[in-house]
Amino acid sequence: GAVVSQHPSRVICKSGTSVKIECRSLDFQATTMFWYRQFPKKSLMLMATSNEGSKATYEQGVEKDKFLINHASLTLSTLTVTSAHPEDSSFYICSARDLGGGTGELFFGEGSRLTVL
Amino acid sequence: AQSVTQLDSQVPVFEEAPVELRCNYSSSVSVYLFWYVQYPNQGLQLLLKYLSGSTLVKGINGFEAEFNKSQTSFHLRKPSVHISDTAEYFCAVRSPSGTYKYIFGTGTRLKVLA
Repeated sequence: GAVVSQHPSRVICKSGTSVKIECRSLDFQATTMFWYRQFPKKSLMLMATSNEGSKATYEQGVEKDKFLINHASLTLSTLTVTSAHPEDSSFYICSARDLGGGTGELFFGEGSRLTVL
Repeated sequence: AQSVTQLDSQVPVFEEAPVELRCNYSSSVSVYLFWYVQYPNQGLQLLLKYLSGSTLVKGINGFEAEFNKSQTSFHLRKPSVHISDTAEYFCAVRSPSGTYKYIFGTGTRLKVLA
C-alpha cells in the first residue's frame, strides 16, 4: 500500500518555542492530507484538512494561528505548532489520500509525539 | 451527523481464543466503514474496509468484520488471537462522497493474555 512518512517521530521542546512536523506521501501524490491529534487513551480528533496550494480547513475549536498548516506540494504537508505550551503535548498523526485511489482509504503516518516542557 | 460508538474500551482475551470487538455507527446517509489497528507509538494501519457488496469483509492478519445495516453495526472478529494482536483498534466511518472526513470511534484496547 501507499506510504506516508512523518518526521520527527518524537520531539521535545521548551514552552514558547515553535515546532514543525512534516508529513510526506512517499510513493503517491496527495492533494489532500489530514492532521489529527490523539490524546492519551483517546480517539483521533481531526484538526484540519490540508489542501495543496490553498488554505487549510480547520475544524471547529482548533486555533488556526496556533496550528499552522502548509501544503506546498503534492507530497508534503507541514504542521507548525507555534508558541507551544505543555497543553499542546500530544500525539499528532497525519493521513493522506492517494489521488489515484478510488477506494476511500486513507494512509496514515507513523505519528509524531510532541512533548512541551 | 455521523458518529461511531465502540462500547468496549478494553477487551482482555486469552491467546488462541476468539474475539469480537464491537462497533456501532449512526448516520442518516450510507457510509463506508473501516477498522484500523494502532500499535504503541505508531500510526494507524488499515485492517479492513466495507464499501459495498458482500457484507462479510475479510482483512489482514486473519480479521474479518460483518456489516449489518439493520443493526448499524460493523463488528470485528478473529477466531484465534495471538499475543501480537495486542493493540488499539479503531472503527471509523465516512460518507462515500464529499470531503473524505473520517469519524473515528474511541477505540478498543485488545489485550491478549498468555
